[in-house]
Amino acid sequence: DAGVTQSPTHLIKTRGQQVTLRCSPKSGHDTVSWYQQALGQGPQFIFQYYEEEERQRGNFPDRFSGHQFPNYSSELNVNALLLGDSALYLCASSSGPGNTIYFGEGSWLTVV
Amino acid sequence: RKEVEQDPGPFNVPEGATVAFNCTYSNSASQSFFWYRQDCRKEPKLLMSVYSSGNEDGRFTAQLNRASQYISLLIRDSKLSDSATYLCVVNKGGSYIPTFGRGTSLIVHP
Repeated sequence: DAGVTQSPTHLIKTRGQQVTLRCSPKSGHDTVSWYQQALGQGPQFIFQYYEEEERQRGNFPDRFSGHQFPNYSSELNVNALLLGDSALYLCASSSGPGNTIYFGEGSWLTVV
Repeated sequence: RKEVEQDPGPFNVPEGATVAFNCTYSNSASQSFFWYRQDCRKEPKLLMSVYSSGNEDGRFTAQLNRASQYISLLIRDSKLSDSATYLCVVNKGGSYIPTFGRGTSLIVHP
């Protein structure tokens, strides 16, 4: 039973570029949430997808967008990258909004 | 005031010690509470849920105090392998979005 999987695990981008991160939820889970975690901080909620729609959004600019596919997998897109976007991006899945979340190993993004 | 606050530590304790962490939350409508553990450069993993009556899982005990709006985690007989960051997580009523504290760092030394 595969857990939450994310790709890529590490990537380096240049300021101003765009990035796409991918997530496949744990088997049986239909809800995907994305978090950003800077060094020394707790994960900060970006948005949550359920039934292919963005259900809730945290305090992040429109440069951050996402998508959920019919198979429940999800993408996080970040446009016009800033140095401050360098962080660990975590995908978490659950069997419905409000249920316990389980994290993938994350994608380490470095913006130079 | 932050929604979920934790002392970042680090808490530096010898093996075998008992250590306790507190976490305060600001939203009185919060309904569910958890502790996650995060190892260095790894993803957070669920350690335990926190129930109103308090609950225990081996060496770990979690407590909830709704009146004072805090939760606690007690670790008895600390092991070297307990060294990690412990994240307090609160689900606000109605939003279903877990809100994380910044974490408390624990270092257990020989």
